Amino acid sequence: AQTVTQSQPEMSVQEAETVTLSCTYDTSESNYYLFWYKQPPSRQMILVIRQEAYKQQNATENRFSVNFQKAAKSFSLKISDSQLGDTAMYFCAFMAVPGSYQLTFGKGTKLSVIP
Amino acid sequence: NAGVTQTPKFRVLKTGQSMTLLCAQDMNHEYMYWYRQDPGMGLRLIHYSVGEGTTAKGEVPDGYNVSRLKKQNFLLGLESAAPSQTSVYFCASTRQVFQETQYFGPGTRLLVL
Repeated sequence: AQTVTQSQPEMSVQEAETVTLSCTYDTSESNYYLFWYKQPPSRQMILVIRQEAYKQQNATENRFSVNFQKAAKSFSLKISDSQLGDTAMYFCAFMAVPGSYQLTFGKGTKLSVIP
Repeated sequence: NAGVTQTPKFRVLKTGQSMTLLCAQDMNHEYMYWYRQDPGMGLRLIHYSVGEGTTAKGEVPDGYNVSRLKKQNFLLGLESAAPSQTSVYFCASTRQVFQETQYFGPGTRLLVL
């Protein structure tokens, strides 16, 4: 079984600044994907970024990037130039492949962007 | 193309009542999932289906049943609701190719009194 740990229940950042959210995971699987999902107050789950474990290059999506350390089983999310719309819950998630493609989520980090 | 839809959006039940939550997707996806979200717990998998007519248990299946009679629909049933089932329920689906991208519905908020 996999476990995903987010050690920061809440964080805050000033608008336009950079913030990093931490995530660690534990697995015996060799092939997997890692994800960051954003959940704003609307409750909609929005995929922010995805990382394939077999890729050494860190994924980036505009202002969002990850620091994937496979040996350390660490997968942090960096948000650059933070915007008010980034205020949300952020969930780290794990998916072993192949298989049922189900997601195992961390407990989330509540991020507040302060104007 | 509506994506993943959930019915109802909000419901209040009394302990012991039954109800069915409906998830529908119009993307011809093979895989469908039901998760529950509780405060401070993230999302946890209840049941899932890898195709029409098939279902399997997830992490927290007790007290729930599911059915996938049609490919586009995945039903979650509560036979005898309990206060511990007060939660927000999310449905998700993924296609057979590039299965790693899950598409989520908007959620159903359930309150059991």
